[in-house]
Amino acid sequence: AQSVSQHNHHVILSEAASLELGCNYSYGGTVNLFWYVQYPGQHLQLLLKYFSGDPLVKGIKGFEAEFIKSKFSFNLRKPSVQWSDTAEYFCAVNADNYGQNFVFGPGTRLSVLP
Amino acid sequence: DAGVIQSPRHEVTEMGQEVTLRCKPISGHNSLFWYRQTMMRGLELLIYFNNNVPIDDSGMPEDRFSAKMPNASFSTLKIQPSEPRDSAVYFCASRRDRKNIQYFGAGTRLSVL
Repeated sequence: AQSVSQHNHHVILSEAASLELGCNYSYGGTVNLFWYVQYPGQHLQLLLKYFSGDPLVKGIKGFEAEFIKSKFSFNLRKPSVQWSDTAEYFCAVNADNYGQNFVFGPGTRLSVLP
Repeated sequence: DAGVIQSPRHEVTEMGQEVTLRCKPISGHNSLFWYRQTMMRGLELLIYFNNNVPIDDSGMPEDRFSAKMPNASFSTLKIQPSEPRDSAVYFCASRRDRKNIQYFGAGTRLSVL
């Protein structure tokens, strides 16, 4: 079965620190990869996505992610976080060979201290 | 585009009552998903529809939960009877096709007392 793991449950950073959130998935084949963000009290919003092509994907608000097929990873990065980045971040995978549903990771809560 | 519309935004009910959550997907989207989010279990996929047909309902927790999609512009998630452990935020999402992203609604926060 599909599974998605995220390395950290809760990450606490100071403003201007660099961020990297890990995401790994458990199966081969063609995958579509996503990072969603959920700000406190709000719904999930797409940060960025990878379908094919350049494995380094740039998203909104200065976020980027790199797809490393050999490592089954899709880590999220931001060089300098802001207090407004405080949110929960979800990695999601949709594999062509496994039907149409998404599998979400458990989420990583990011707290940025001012 | 109005986005995915869910109603109600908040629902407070007593144990044993029937609860119906509603979702209007984005026009032209042919897949619809229902999720439940809790602190303990995170984000769980309950069921998804493609072209109004339920494709995978393996995430539906038990027979008290049912979902319907009578047409392309409307879906319901019903809990009957409701229990306190059903308290959660329920999200609906829609997608145009497999090569597109899911767009989420604002969610319904359900509290069962």
